[in-house]
Amino acid sequence: GIQVEQSPPDLILQEGANSTLRCNFSDSVNNLQWFHQNPWGQLINLFYIPSGTKQNGRLSATTVATERYSLLYISSSQTTDSGVYFCAPRRQAAGNKLTFGGGTRVLVKP
Amino acid sequence: DTGVSQDPRHKITKRGQNVTFRCDPISEHNRLYWYRQTLGQGPEFLTYFQNEAQLEKSRLLSDRFSAERPKGSFSTLEIQRTEQGDSAMYLCASSLMGSSDTQYFGPGTRLTVL
Repeated sequence: GIQVEQSPPDLILQEGANSTLRCNFSDSVNNLQWFHQNPWGQLINLFYIPSGTKQNGRLSATTVATERYSLLYISSSQTTDSGVYFCAPRRQAAGNKLTFGGGTRVLVKP
Repeated sequence: DTGVSQDPRHKITKRGQNVTFRCDPISEHNRLYWYRQTLGQGPEFLTYFQNEAQLEKSRLLSDRFSAERPKGSFSTLEIQRTEQGDSAMYLCASSLMGSSDTQYFGPGTRLTVL
């Protein structure tokens, strides 16, 4: 199956700071989603981004499928951005399951 | 669109007991997935349905686990003879087969086996 590595594993930010989270994957993919898991465990969809760049408010994401990585940018971080961020690529030839990385745990301090 | 719902949200059981969880997907979604997440890890795929057909099962899904989606709407996941190692968050997701097939997750059922 696909191997997914996320970095850094932990990130502590001061409110207002910017950050970049990275997701590397071992094989070509057809689909990639980014999620934010809040302290109650709910996985919240951030982006569906198999390739290219998308922006949603203070968040943006870029996937370079040919080089097998995706980046999530958080700008002007807020305390509500705290939680765990997961990337989850999917390889259609391997079925419809998402394969999750280990996540990046983000703590934004006021 | 009420989102994916799961019931119960929390379950505490004793080792050896059977438990059943329910998932109601987003109403028009024809694909439904079960994942399991243990503390500090990302979710891991268990099984997937397209309509009522179970199309894929992970090797993680031992003989004690069974999932159904009898009418292509809600799904149940049953664990028989629970073990302490079954303690985890069980997540359900649904998607609409199509160009993006984006998966949307429910709030999860947290299982604790004593």
